Order: sequence, then C-alpha cells, then structure tokens
Amino acid sequence: DAGVTQSPTHLIKTRGQQVTLRCSPISGHKSVSWYQQVLGQGPQFIFQYYEKEERGRGNFPDRFSARQFPNYSSELNVNALLLGDSALYLCASSLAGDSNQPQHFGDGTRLSIL
Amino acid sequence: GQSLEQPSEVTAVEGAIVQINCTYQTSGFYGLSWYQQHDGGAPTFLSYNALDGLEETGRFSSFLSRSDSYGYLLLQELQMKDSASYFCAPDGQNFVFGPGTRLSVLP
Repeated sequence: DAGVTQSPTHLIKTRGQQVTLRCSPISGHKSVSWYQQVLGQGPQFIFQYYEKEERGRGNFPDRFSARQFPNYSSELNVNALLLGDSALYLCASSLAGDSNQPQHFGDGTRLSIL
Repeated sequence: GQSLEQPSEVTAVEGAIVQINCTYQTSGFYGLSWYQQHDGGAPTFLSYNALDGLEETGRFSSFLSRSDSYGYLLLQELQMKDSASYFCAPDGQNFVFGPGTRLSVLP
C-alpha cells in the first residue's frame, strides 16, 4: 500500500504569492494533519482535519487555510507568502481523529520563499 | 499553556545505551508518543505510552510518569543508523511536538 504522498516535493515562490500544497493519506485513513517544520526544530502543528471537518488549529495566522475532500485527501493553502514561511511542510495521516493514533508522515513539501 | 523540554543534543558510541528525556506541560493529556526523524526524512512513529510505566519495542523502550509530567525514550545497543532526531509528542488537545533531541552515534 502507498504511504502518505505529498505534492509538489519542492516549490519556490516569491513574497506575496499564494501556494497550494496537496496530500493524499494512506488508504483507509480519515484524519489528515499539517505541520510546518523549520530546520533544527520540531514540527509545528497547523491543522487537523477528520471526516472533512476541522478538528484542530495551531497558532498560525489566517493566511493559512486547509480543507479535506470526500476522498480524505487534503490541501493546505498559504496566502500572501512571507520569507518566514520558508519551511518543510509535512502532512500526516492517521486512522481516526484521536490524537493517540500513530501518525504516518509524508516526505513533505519544501517551500522556499525568495 | 503548553511547554515541552528535551535535551538538544546527545552523543554516544555504538553499542551503548542512551536515554532521551522529555518533560511536558499540556492541557488534556492522554499519553506520550515518540518519533524518529533522519536528516532529510519524514518523522516515523516509534512508540506511545498511555499508562505509566515502561513499554518495550525491540531495542527501544519508552517510559511515562504522569504524576511527574515526564517521559523518556531508551535506546539500547546503539547502531550508527540510530543517528537521528527524536521528538516527544504529548497527546493532548492538539498535536504538539517537542523541540527534538539530535542523537549522534559514534563508531
């Protein structure tokens, strides 16, 4: 079975632009979470979606938004990009929305803002 | 509020035993997870402690003390491939990861 897949793997944008990152969870997994990871730090929680509804939101500005589709795939949108948004964006899926479920991570999208 | 503390770096030699500590303060605590992340790779799940005590999975063990808001990951018979960053993640209202401990295993 395929693991969590994310696209694109790398992306270069300029300040002020908008970006959409995509994630396909493991088959059968209904929960998707998004994280931002800056080099040398732990993943920072952005959103969790379960059954197409937002279950949790981290401490990120409203420029960050996400959604989950009926097939449980998900998109993360970031508007008005800032230099500080440069990071690795990780998607993780789990069977259910409970936070005690092991999360399975994709390889991430590396976003660079120029 | 929430806080998480882990040592930033640990160095050990092959075959040794190393313990990575994690202290946490979070609301709605249910358990503690540990993840491993190699450079350039994605985090991978190692273990989850819902109850106090020691959980053993091969060379890796994880311990939790709810009353002390403390846990640790114990790695035995260290191998070079264990060189990675290790994150504790308390299971609470949201998904929070610790700052990570970078383990370097020397020959």
